[in-house]
Amino acid sequence: AQTVTQSQPEMSVQEAETVTLSCTYDTSESNYYLFWYKQPPSRQMILVIRQEAYKQQNATENRFSVNFQKAAKSFSLKISDSQLGDTAMYFCAFMRIDDKIIFGKGTRLHILP
Amino acid sequence: GAVVSQHPSWVICKSGTSVKIECRSLDFQATTMFWYRQFPKQSLMLMATSNEGSKATYEQGVEKDKFLINHASLTLSTLTVTSAHPEDSSFYICRAKSGLNTEAFFGQGTRLTVV
Repeated sequence: AQTVTQSQPEMSVQEAETVTLSCTYDTSESNYYLFWYKQPPSRQMILVIRQEAYKQQNATENRFSVNFQKAAKSFSLKISDSQLGDTAMYFCAFMRIDDKIIFGKGTRLHILP
Repeated sequence: GAVVSQHPSWVICKSGTSVKIECRSLDFQATTMFWYRQFPKQSLMLMATSNEGSKATYEQGVEKDKFLINHASLTLSTLTVTSAHPEDSSFYICRAKSGLNTEAFFGQGTRLTVV
């Protein structure tokens, strides 16, 4: 069974700093999708970034980038120039071949003024 | 992007009653709907998957007779919590998928409180 592990339950960083959230996963599939979702207090799931496993190039979306290490099954999220609005719960997620998305337990990120 | 509207956003019901949650895809056809449950400070746990016109398939440990899922049209899926109990209080989120599109479109979620 596929699993997604986020080893950092909670993190705090100062505004404008860079923070990296860790994620590892386990799968026997060769082609899949990985995601980072942000869940603010409103609890709406917001897609931050998406990576297709067959693409070697790391995905980037403005201040958000990932370090995708397929062999190591690692998918970390880097947030540069962090902003107060980045404060939220962040979930790493894996899409199985049957389109089911499996979520990690989440990392609560606090951006401090 | 595609919009998924979930209603109601919050509901309080008495123990023993049933409550229905709707999930609508507003600008696309949702061939598959996924229903998740999220307890406070926990992750999203997949409850069931439904394809339009077919019976839902439930994840292990989810009571299909308690959580009734209907996906009768390509734009609407409903989750009915029957004979609700306080332990069913949770945040329920739907996710809609269109055809071969791998994008994931989530509803806004429904906070259910059973008193």
